Amino acid sequence: AQSVTQLGSHVSVSEGALVLLRCNYSSSVPPYLFWYVQYPNQGLQLLLKYTSAATLVKGINGFEAEFKKSETSFHLTKPSAHMSDAAEYFCAVSQLQGAQKLVFGQGTRLTINP
Amino acid sequence: EAQVTQNPRYLITVTGKKLTVTCSQNMNHEYMSWYRQDPGLGLRQIYYSMNVEVTDKGDVPEGYKVSRKEKRNFPLILESPSPNQTSLYFCASRYRGSGTDTQYFGPGTRLTVL
Repeated sequence: AQSVTQLGSHVSVSEGALVLLRCNYSSSVPPYLFWYVQYPNQGLQLLLKYTSAATLVKGINGFEAEFKKSETSFHLTKPSAHMSDAAEYFCAVSQLQGAQKLVFGQGTRLTINP
Repeated sequence: EAQVTQNPRYLITVTGKKLTVTCSQNMNHEYMSWYRQDPGLGLRQIYYSMNVEVTDKGDVPEGYKVSRKEKRNFPLILESPSPNQTSLYFCASRYRGSGTDTQYFGPGTRLTVL
């Protein structure tokens, strides 16, 4: 069975500081990995995804994530936080073969301090 | 424009009064899902459908029904709502092909059961 763990339900950084949101997954077969963002009172928007091509994936709004198979991780980073990055972020995993289920982590709420 | 629509966006109802939340997509996707989002739990899949007349249970199907009579529509039915079904609900439509996997989310339906 596949699962996703996001370390830290709340992360707070200063404007201009590095953003690092952690995601670890478990999957018995090669995974697809995703990061979604949810702004207040809105739906989910795809930030970026890994589908077995380049391990460093660039997404929208300056975010990127690196797939590290040896660490079973897919951490999300942004070099310099902006106030508009305040939102909830979800990591998700599905599998290349077999079940089509998309499994989400618990979410990390990112707060940006001025 | 590719989109997933849900109606209603907000609903307050009372225990036991049957309700239906509609979901429609215009992308001709075969795969659709319903999720509920609760604080600290991320998104949990309620039901999914891999094509017309093909539906299956997700992680939290109790108290819900779905149907898929047409490819574009995937309504969620609560026959006898209870307060523990108060939640934020998302419908999603998904395209999965060779080397790609993209899920599109609706704007969400906030349901309160009194």
